[in-house]
This record gives sequence, structure tokens and C-alpha cells, in this order.
Amino acid sequence: EAGVAQSPRYKIIEKRQSVAFWCNPISGHATLYWYQQILGQGPKLLIQFQNNGVVDDSQLPKDRFSAERLKGVDSTLKIQPAKLEDSAVYLCGTAGTSGNYEQYFGPGTRLTVT
Amino acid sequence: QKEVEQNSGPLSVPEGAIASLNCTYSDRGSQSFFWYRQYSGKSPELIMSIYSNGDKEDGRFTAQLNKASQYVSLLIRDSQPSDSATYLCAVNQNFVFGPGTRLSVLP
Repeated sequence: EAGVAQSPRYKIIEKRQSVAFWCNPISGHATLYWYQQILGQGPKLLIQFQNNGVVDDSQLPKDRFSAERLKGVDSTLKIQPAKLEDSAVYLCGTAGTSGNYEQYFGPGTRLTVT
Repeated sequence: QKEVEQNSGPLSVPEGAIASLNCTYSDRGSQSFFWYRQYSGKSPELIMSIYSNGDKEDGRFTAQLNKASQYVSLLIRDSQPSDSATYLCAVNQNFVFGPGTRLSVLP
């Protein structure tokens, strides 16, 4: 079974530029999460999707961050414009919805904003 | 904001010893609990999940859940240097993560 795919793995941009991250979930996983993990901290949930609907986006900075999950499969997270404090690893995780709610993570995208 | 707390460590144990990692949570209605291991520069990997009070064992790992006291713990028996990592506790299906505990197993 293929795991969660993310791209790119690394990205360096200047502040005020825009950037987009892509995630492809494990086949059949209806729930998809985006997290921001700053060095030395636990992952912080940005947004949770169930199929193509948003379950929780309470911690998503909506003035600069946006996310979508078209057709309930792949998802894209965008930052526009980026700030220095957005430098972090962006993790995508997916989980099933029946019985077993275990979440599995992709490799992450390391973003550096200069 | 529902909170999950962990001792940030580092927790150092000698090789072969039992490592005990603890996690407390604030939401009394929490139903799902997960332990993840994260090596430096890598993404978190699931160790085990627990949903009912009591112990759950998987190989060298044992998760213990006490909903009345609102804590969940992870025991690692016969600790190995390869167990050196940060251990993350997550709660509920919206996966609120704690800050993680850094474990160092000394040869």
C-alpha cells in the first residue's frame, strides 16, 4: 500500500512570495490533515478535511493561508504572501473513517522563508 | 483550546532499561489516543493507538490509558539506542499533539 505523498520536499522562498504544497493521501483515506511543525515543537493542526469538506480550520491564518481538497482526494495548501515566521515543516496526514482512526504522515515539506 | 501536555525532556535512560513517557490532556471527553515517534528530520510515525482504559501491548511498547485521571503513558521495555527520538502524544480524531518528549537511550 502506497503511503502519503507530498511535494516538494524542500522549498526556499523570499518573504512576500507565494508557495504551494501538494499532498496525495493513502488510497481510501477520507480524512486529510495539514500541520505546521516549527523546530522543537509538536505539529500544529492547520486544517482538517473529511472528503472534500472542511471539518476544522480554526487555526488556519486565513489572511495568508488557503487549502483545498478537490474531489476528496489530493489537497493543496497555499501561503500568500509568506512571512519569515512561516518557516517550518508542513506535514500532511491522512486517516480512515471507519473503526480505525489512525493517522499516517507524509514525508513533509521543509519551507524556508528568507 | 484543548491542551495536551508532555514533559519536554530530555529523558535519558541506559540501554536495556524501561523508558516511561507521560502525557496529560485537558478534554475530559477525549476518546482516542495515539503515540508517535519522530526521528530528527523525519515525519512522525505511528507507534500505537489506544481507546479504552487499561494497558495495550505491542512488542516492546505498552500504552496505558487512565481516562479518570486524564493521562496516557507509553512504556518502552529493553530500550535501545535506536529508540532515541522525540515521542509525540496525540488526542482525538482532530489529533491535538503535545510538544513531544525527547528520549535519549545511552549505550
